[in-house]
Amino acid sequence: EAGVAQSPRYKIIEKRQSVAFWCNPISGHATLYWYQQILGQGPKLLIQFQNNGVVDDSQLPKDRFSAERLKGVDSTLKIQPAKLEDSAVYLCASSFSGGRGANEQFFGPGTRLTVL
Amino acid sequence: GQNIDQPTEMTATEGAIVQINCTYQTSGFNGLFWYQQHAGEAPTFLSYNVLDGLEEKGRFSSFLSRSKGYSYLLLKELQMKDSASYLCAVRDPRADKLIFGTGTRLQVFP
Repeated sequence: EAGVAQSPRYKIIEKRQSVAFWCNPISGHATLYWYQQILGQGPKLLIQFQNNGVVDDSQLPKDRFSAERLKGVDSTLKIQPAKLEDSAVYLCASSFSGGRGANEQFFGPGTRLTVL
Repeated sequence: GQNIDQPTEMTATEGAIVQINCTYQTSGFNGLFWYQQHAGEAPTFLSYNVLDGLEEKGRFSSFLSRSKGYSYLLLKELQMKDSASYLCAVRDPRADKLIFGTGTRLQVFP
């Protein structure tokens, strides 16, 4: 079974530039998550989708971050414009459905963003 | 509020046993997860507890006490490859989302 795919793996940009990340979840997984992980910290949820609807985006800085999952499969996360403090690893995860059993989240390899 | 506490760093010797503690104070609870994360890699699922008690899976065991807001991950017969960060996460039932602690960086020495 293929895992969660993300691209690019690395990205270096200058502050005020724009950047986009792409995620393809595990086939059949209805729930998709985007996390931000700053060095030395645990992942912080930015946005959660159930199919193509947003379940939780309470910690997404909406003035500069946006995300979509138009067809309920792939998702893109965009930052426009980027700030120095956005330097982090952006992790995408997916899970089969909500609430029952372990229903663990499977993580992609992440995109390491450096903002100069 | 949501608060999950873990020690920042731990060290241990190959072949030994180590216990990584996690305490949590969250507004909701629907299970506690432990993930392993090697440097530069994605977190991978280790264990899940939703009821009190011990869950054993090979060299790894995880314990939960809901009344105390406490969990631990026990690693036996430590190997060098166990050097990694261990993330404790609580699932919030309101949105089926995980709230992660900052992680415990474990270094295993020969």
